[in-house]
Amino acid sequence: NAGVTQTPKFQVLKTGQSMTLQCAQDMNHEYMSWYRQDPGMGLRLIHYSVGAGITDQGEVPNGYNVSRSTTEDFPLRLLSAAPSQTSVYFCASSYSGSGELFFGEGSRLTVL
Amino acid sequence: GNSVTQMEGPVTLSEEAFLTINCTYTATGYPSLFWYVQYPGEGLQLLLKATKADDKGSNKGFEATYRKETTSFHLEKGSVQVSDSAVYFCALSDRYGNAGKSTFGDGTTLTVKP
Repeated sequence: NAGVTQTPKFQVLKTGQSMTLQCAQDMNHEYMSWYRQDPGMGLRLIHYSVGAGITDQGEVPNGYNVSRSTTEDFPLRLLSAAPSQTSVYFCASSYSGSGELFFGEGSRLTVL
Repeated sequence: GNSVTQMEGPVTLSEEAFLTINCTYTATGYPSLFWYVQYPGEGLQLLLKATKADDKGSNKGFEATYRKETTSFHLEKGSVQVSDSAVYFCALSDRYGNAGKSTFGDGTTLTVKP
């Protein structure tokens, strides 16, 4: 049971570099989302998708792009990394009628 | 908008002590309520949930009751163990429409000492 798979687990970037955090789920869930976790601030929603081809902004979307071309995949792109984007990122999926989130193991990103 | 307020931590207890972590919420409609747990170095996983008023969620000795009149979902455990040391998050979500678009509290770090 793979569940939600995120890669990479760790990444160090320099300011201005770009990268993509990958997320894939094999549970056929309609909903996928990206959260960032910062000390003392809980989890904050970055972007959200209710199905292939449909995305929406969350609480903290600036500096991040997403796309959802398939049900399984929901990559998060940082176009020009900034130190403020140093965080732990979690991808999650869910299905209608539940509200329960299934999380990946997280990706720790450091921007120097 | 929706919001979740959790008891501030960190919380340090001795093994076999009683645990309460307070959680209150503000929401429109009738959300589902959740407690997630994050063990060191891991992602979050569901601990328990309740989908309507007066429901009690329970798992691994932990319990929480959905109290609509007090908009609360406090987490309790009668006798904690060292292995319960983790960060606990209270959260709410719609089941439909915005399912998966959860609102989280700030998290409470629990340390249990032998």
